[in-house]
Amino acid sequence: DAGITQSPRHKVTETGTPVTLRCHQTENHRYMYWYRQDPGHGLRLIHYSYGVKDTDKGEVSDGYSVSRSKTEDFLLTLESATSSQTSVYFCAISGGRYDNEQFFGPGTRLTVL
Amino acid sequence: AQRVTQPEKLLSVFKGAPVELKCNYSYSGSPELFWYVQYSRQRLQLLLRHISRESIKGFTADLNKGETSFHLKKPFAQEEDSAMYYCALSSTGNQFYFGTGTSLTVIP
Repeated sequence: DAGITQSPRHKVTETGTPVTLRCHQTENHRYMYWYRQDPGHGLRLIHYSYGVKDTDKGEVSDGYSVSRSKTEDFLLTLESATSSQTSVYFCAISGGRYDNEQFFGPGTRLTVL
Repeated sequence: AQRVTQPEKLLSVFKGAPVELKCNYSYSGSPELFWYVQYSRQRLQLLLRHISRESIKGFTADLNKGETSFHLKKPFAQEEDSAMYYCALSSTGNQFYFGTGTSLTVIP
């Protein structure tokens, strides 16, 4: 597996609380992505980053923000968690030898009560 | 607009039978297409990319630009092939678009 870790791996929180998920890579890849995976919807892009401090919105960005202050870390924040944000969140990276091949992290299972 | 369509959410085949997972795409440029696989409780991993023209774990996929398809095929399904399969398209700027996935079950 490519050097991608996500923390926490599991989290249960209550509606209205802020939540931050962390993605950490050791591959020095330029691009980083946050997806959510939901039954019937597959993988949907939340936000992505094409460099330090360079980020852009994906398909389902409402209610989420991101930050990338250094190459190896990409943070996803749910500003005020809602039950509709209960999902499995995957981080991915690309920009290595095969420039547009993505490598995925192990996922974070988030439950918002 | 870019779009990837996987018409089958669920697909069941018997062990030893041929399997085909369908993928259609819409893209205005020259796409790069991939198949990713997610085994139970594991992370997504790349199975195939169209430019490499490889056969991985017995799977092949051919890009048909006329039909805008990139179907995944295997002549003889194995139980270990049971997994979720995602078709994906890469556009300029390293943006990726995924289909909704097909859950394949191989029946012993």
